[in-house]
Amino acid sequence: AQTVTQSQPEMSVQEAETVTLSCTYDTSESDYYLFWYKQPPSRQMILVIRQEAYKQQNATENRFSVNFQKAAKSFSLKISDSQLGDAAMYFCAYRREGAAGNKLTFGGGTRVLVKP
Amino acid sequence: KAGVTQTPRYLIKTRGQQVTLSCSPISGHRSVSWYQQTPGQGLQFLFEYFSETQRNKGNFPGRFSGRQFSNSRSEMNVSTLELGDSALYLCASSIPGTGDGYTFGSGTRLTVV
Repeated sequence: AQTVTQSQPEMSVQEAETVTLSCTYDTSESDYYLFWYKQPPSRQMILVIRQEAYKQQNATENRFSVNFQKAAKSFSLKISDSQLGDAAMYFCAYRREGAAGNKLTFGGGTRVLVKP
Repeated sequence: KAGVTQTPRYLIKTRGQQVTLSCSPISGHRSVSWYQQTPGQGLQFLFEYFSETQRNKGNFPGRFSGRQFSNSRSEMNVSTLELGDSALYLCASSIPGTGDGYTFGSGTRLTVV
């Protein structure tokens, strides 16, 4: 079974600074997708960034970028120029899609605090 | 276009009762998945429906069930509620085969007393 681990329960960052969130996963598959989701106090899960395992190039979305290390099964998220609105829970998630259906497997989450 | 809509947003039920939660996916999204979120267990997959068929099921007791209608709207039902069923229930919709991330609703907060 696939597992996703986020080893940092909480991270604190100064406004305008950079923070990196760690995520490792375990799978025997070679083709899959990885995601970072943000969950603010409003509860809605918001997709931040996605990575396809077959693509070597790291995904980037504005201030958000990932460091995808397939061999190490590592998928970290870097938030640059942190803003107050970035404060939220961040979840790393794995998805393997197949004929038997698909599902997301989530890590335990990392709470990001942004200090003004 | 409209996002994923979950109703109701909040619900308080008594132990032993049953509850039905509703989810309307984004137009064109035929896959609907349900997740339970609790402080202790985190986010756990309940089940996924596609074209009115359950394709995948998580490790939950039979008290948890669901269905999907021809318009892709989905409902999940929990019978004989227990205190431990108190959680945020999230619904997500997607287009299978695209690799796109799921779009989530705002969830239903269920409290069992």
